[in-house]
Amino acid sequence: GQQLNQSPQSMFIQEGEDVSMNCTSSSIFNTWLWYKQDPGEGPVLLIALYKAGELTSNGRLTAQFGITRKDSFLNISASIPSDVGIYFCAGQRTGNQFYFGTGTSLTVIP
Amino acid sequence: KAGVTQTPRYLIKTRGQQVTLSCSPISGHRSVSWYQQTPGQGLQFLFEYFSETQRNKGNFPGRFSGRQFSNSRSEMNVSTLELGDSALYLCASSLGTLINSPLHFGNGTRLTVT
Repeated sequence: GQQLNQSPQSMFIQEGEDVSMNCTSSSIFNTWLWYKQDPGEGPVLLIALYKAGELTSNGRLTAQFGITRKDSFLNISASIPSDVGIYFCAGQRTGNQFYFGTGTSLTVIP
Repeated sequence: KAGVTQTPRYLIKTRGQQVTLSCSPISGHRSVSWYQQTPGQGLQFLFEYFSETQRNKGNFPGRFSGRQFSNSRSEMNVSTLELGDSALYLCASSLGTLINSPLHFGNGTRLTVT
């Protein structure tokens, strides 16, 4: 199935640094979602975005729904070791079909 | 509120066998979707059920099938297992409305085919 373009593929950062990742598509989406997956677990919903231009925060996480509706961004401020994991974006068009990014693997070095 | 529950967590099967995976959605959620996750292919959509009817289907062979019961619980079946079917199978539930209805995932069933 279709996958979204997510970058970067992996990141290695020092504890305390800020992190940015993004997701792009050639198609318009009505909803953008961001998930985090820990090893051996299922993805956990972090942030849901429903309107173009929307900026939403969840603690140290901030995500934005691009105004073109073809992209989304996730920022993590002041990273900590428990931020380690794989982050996925997902877009929803019509119906209940979701399309996922290929994931960004985040490693935080203490 | 209990999350999405998948059973079993781990399965080991041999080629040619069949397997059934189970998923209990979040209470009140009427849509259940199934995904296959592998390191090389990422999250691949299998199918979605809503009110006991398959509403969407991905590009998987007919060996992969599913069903949903009146209480919204869902099962997925894979027949004639192949080595390439080894993967993490994730179930996700949602309200099933067309908007403002994000997916909530279970912890998956890790299937190993030998």
